[in-house]
Amino acid sequence: AQSVTQLGSHVSVSEGALVLLRCNYSSSVPPYLFWYVQYPNQGLQLLLKYTSAATLVKGINGFEAEFKKSETSFHLTKPSAHMSDAAEYFCAVSFMNTGFQKLVFGTGTRLLVSP
Amino acid sequence: DTGVSQNPRHKITKRGQNVTFRCDPISEHNRLYWYRQTLGQGPEFLTYFQNEAQLEKSRLLSDRFSAERPKGSFSTLEIQRTEQGDSAMYLCCPAGGQDNEQFFGPGTRLTVL
Repeated sequence: AQSVTQLGSHVSVSEGALVLLRCNYSSSVPPYLFWYVQYPNQGLQLLLKYTSAATLVKGINGFEAEFKKSETSFHLTKPSAHMSDAAEYFCAVSFMNTGFQKLVFGTGTRLLVSP
Repeated sequence: DTGVSQNPRHKITKRGQNVTFRCDPISEHNRLYWYRQTLGQGPEFLTYFQNEAQLEKSRLLSDRFSAERPKGSFSTLEIQRTEQGDSAMYLCCPAGGQDNEQFFGPGTRLTVL
C-alpha cells in the first residue's frame, strides 16, 4: 500500500522568503512522486515529478524537489516566494506501471504569501 | 490549460436526484481516471478506464455510481439517488504519453442539498 503525509496544513511565508513544503511517503515498491498545485476553483496542475531518474527534480515556476530514499521524503522548495505562489499544494505517490497508475494524494498544504 | 473540459462546472441538486457529469479530453488519450475531492482533502481515486474498458474501481464507488467511456473518448459519471455525502469536486483525468502523465480537468463541483 502507498500513502503520503504532508506536514502542515498551512504554511505562511513572506514574499521573497524560502518556501519549504514537506512530504513523506510510504511505498512497498519503488515510487513515482509528484507535486501538484491547485488554484481556487481550478483543477490540479503538475509542478514536477520524480520517476527514478535524477533525485533532484526541477519543475515549473522555479520549484524543485529532492527525492531522499533514506528519509522517505520528497520536499518541495522554492528559493524566493512570489505572491502568485499562494495556492494549495498536493504531494502524490504512484508506482511504475505501463497501465493502471492511480495517484495517492496527501491532504494538501495551503501556502500563504504575505507582502 | 490541460485540454480537458468538464461539464457542468457546478451542479446543485436535491438529495435523491440523479446527476450526470461529462468529461471531454481534447487530445486522444487511451487512459482516463476519475477522482473525487472533498473539502480540505486531496483527490481520491474512483475509477480507471483503458480505452472503453473500465478496469479498476475504488471501494468508494458504491452501486449508486456508474461510469462509462463509450468509444474510448469522452466519459460520463452518473450518481443515482444522490446523498449529501456525495458533495465534492469530481475530477476527470485523461492520461498518456511516455510517463503515463495524468492531466486533470477543472472539475465539476457537486452540491447536494
